[in-house]
Amino acid sequence: DQQVKQNSPSLSVQEGRISILNCDYTNSMFDYFLWYKKYPAEGPTFLISISSIKDKNEDGRFTVFLNKSAKHLSLHIVPSQPGDSAVYFCAASGFPYDKVIFGPGTSLSVIP
Amino acid sequence: DSGVTQTPKHLITATGQRVTLRCSPRSGDLSVYWYQQSLDQGLQFLIQYYNGEERAKGNILERFSAQQFPDLHSELNLSSLELGDSALYFCASSTRTSGIGNEQFFGPGTRLTVL
Repeated sequence: DQQVKQNSPSLSVQEGRISILNCDYTNSMFDYFLWYKKYPAEGPTFLISISSIKDKNEDGRFTVFLNKSAKHLSLHIVPSQPGDSAVYFCAASGFPYDKVIFGPGTSLSVIP
Repeated sequence: DSGVTQTPKHLITATGQRVTLRCSPRSGDLSVYWYQQSLDQGLQFLIQYYNGEERAKGNILERFSAQQFPDLHSELNLSSLELGDSALYFCASSTRTSGIGNEQFFGPGTRLTVL
C-alpha cells in the first residue's frame, strides 16, 4: 500500500519554463512533507520542506504548495535549468517524525 | 558531499551468502537510517537507530539486521541473500531522532548485486 504517490514517472520541460512535480498522500497523519533531489550515482539531497500549518513554502526557484484537503502537494521550479535534471522524491512524515515515507520518484529532464 | 560515507560502493555476491554494509554518519549526527531502493522503486525505509538504540522499524526482512556502534557508525547485515535483494542500499543520518525539521542527509549508497 503506497502511502506516498508520484503518478508521473517522468517529466520533460524546456529550459526557462516552469516544472511542476506532483505528489499525493493517503495517510492523514502525515503533517510534514519534504522533497529530495537525486542525481545518478549519488544519494538523495534535501531540497525543501513544508509543515501542514502552511500551504506554501518558497526557497529561491523552488516552491512547494500543500493542499491538505486534497492530500496533495506540488513542487514548482521556476525557471527550470538543465542542472535541475534529476529524480525528485516526495516524502512524508508524521509524529514522532522518525519515519519518513518516500514516493517512487519523478525523473525530471530539463531540455536546453 | 553530505558527510555520510558508505562502504563498499559496489558488492557482488551469490545467493545464500551474507554481506555487511557499513555507514558512517555526519559528524555529530546521532541518528542513522537505512533504506533500500530496488529497480524503479522508491526508497523503502528499513530501520533507524539513535545513539546505539533501535528507534523505528520499517519493512525490514527477518534475514536483515542492523546495529549502531558506540562510535555511531552503523552496519546493515544481509543474510541468506536472494536475487530480489539486489538493490541500492542508502544510509542517512540526522541530528535528532525525531521532531519536525528532521531532515536526513544521505550517503552515496551501496549497490548490491546478487547473482
